[in-house]
Amino acid sequence: SAVISQKPSRDICQRGTSLTIQCQVDSQVTMMFWYRQQPGQSLTLIATANQGSEATYESGFVIDKFPISRPNLTFSTLTVSNMSPEDSSIYLCSATAERKHNEQFFGPGTRLTVL
Amino acid sequence: ILNVEQSPQSLHVQEGDSTNFTCSFPSSNFYALHWYRWETAKSPEALFVMTLNGDEKKKGRISATLNTKEGYSYLYIKGSQPEDSATYLCALRGGSSNTGKLIFGQGTTLQVKP
Repeated sequence: SAVISQKPSRDICQRGTSLTIQCQVDSQVTMMFWYRQQPGQSLTLIATANQGSEATYESGFVIDKFPISRPNLTFSTLTVSNMSPEDSSIYLCSATAERKHNEQFFGPGTRLTVL
Repeated sequence: ILNVEQSPQSLHVQEGDSTNFTCSFPSSNFYALHWYRWETAKSPEALFVMTLNGDEKKKGRISATLNTKEGYSYLYIKGSQPEDSATYLCALRGGSSNTGKLIFGQGTTLQVKP
């Protein structure tokens, strides 16, 4: 299985600022994803992070608000831009391993509070 | 829009009780059903990936069944222990496997009292 780490584990931010979350996988993976869980809600997919090209965003999520990078097969970042209290969520990175497309592994999440 | 429902939302049981909860999903456009166990401040832990109608999978005291025709999966925990306390998530992978996209239910939060 792939081990995924995220930084920071939590943060408290002021309205209007931006935060970049890092995701590191310990092995090469085919696909990487970013999810969020707002309070009382389901985990929801934000986007698929594509290596070397622009991310693929789900309905309701846009690149200007959630810019994503994936410079190589093991690392990705998600930026939450111009934050508001509605962005307070847990953000999780996930990945599917090479040749094991049925298995999807998750990082421990970044708990973000926006004041 | 695909919708995944889990019930109950929360559950409190005594140590030693057996329990089960349900995940419902649209039976059309099915590819796989994932179960995860998620403890606070930890990574969601993959329990099962189920793909075939009638599938039954087991991991220790935890087992799961799948009915793709009627669109539901059950998760069973036999002889619950306090360390089983967690949120249990199910997620549907629909359509093409190439997308890898998972649609999650809201989870069932289990609290096991010693």
